Amino acid sequence: DIQMTQSPSSLSASVGDRVTITCQASQDISNCLNWYQHKPGIAPKLLIYDASILETGVPSRFSGSGSGTDFTFSITSLQPEDIATYYCQQCGISMLFGGGTKVEIK
Amino acid sequence: QVQVVESGGGLVKPGGSLRLSCAASGFIFSDYYMSWIRQPPGKGLEWISFISRSGDTKYYADSVKGRFTISRDNTKKSLYLQMNSLRDEDTAMYYCVRGGARRGDYWGQGTLVTVSS
Repeated sequence: DIQMTQSPSSLSASVGDRVTITCQASQDISNCLNWYQHKPGIAPKLLIYDASILETGVPSRFSGSGSGTDFTFSITSLQPEDIATYYCQQCGISMLFGGGTKVEIK
Repeated sequence: QVQVVESGGGLVKPGGSLRLSCAASGFIFSDYYMSWIRQPPGKGLEWISFISRSGDTKYYADSVKGRFTISRDNTKKSLYLQMNSLRDEDTAMYYCVRGGARRGDYWGQGTLVTVSS
């Protein structure tokens, strides 16, 4: 079974900082990797699919990269409204999620 | 706009049953795979089931296989999850999601299922 390892589990950064989250798959998953944003009490939101494609309407400060086993999600300039938990998810039959990264403002 | 709205959650005893529903609007329901994803309190997300456009293909996570049944009614633009033999560990927020294995692009706000004696 494919395992997804996401890190860090939490981070604290200042407004305007660049934030980076990584997700590692236990085997090659090509570019089959999505990123979601989840704010408490609000429906989770798809931000990036197929590793690097920005979902329509998502601000360009969000980006994703990687292929194979190693993937990166970035927020170029953290905004107060970006406070949330972010999840990677392997697309395909296992559809496993990473453990999540809680992003807070310092 | 695209909307999916879950209903049917509640408190149920271990071994009991519950049926979740999801009402879809704002898109051609029959054009999309649909899924159920859950999140236990304080834990991460788990994709538990998806169903194809026509309903002839279904996937279940091992954790729910044999106990949960996904179905859909394209005439009513509705998705369902029949949950039987419920266990404490099934306690979670259950989300209806547009999409199948590839990605879930619209999520509902969720319905809470609590399994407790």
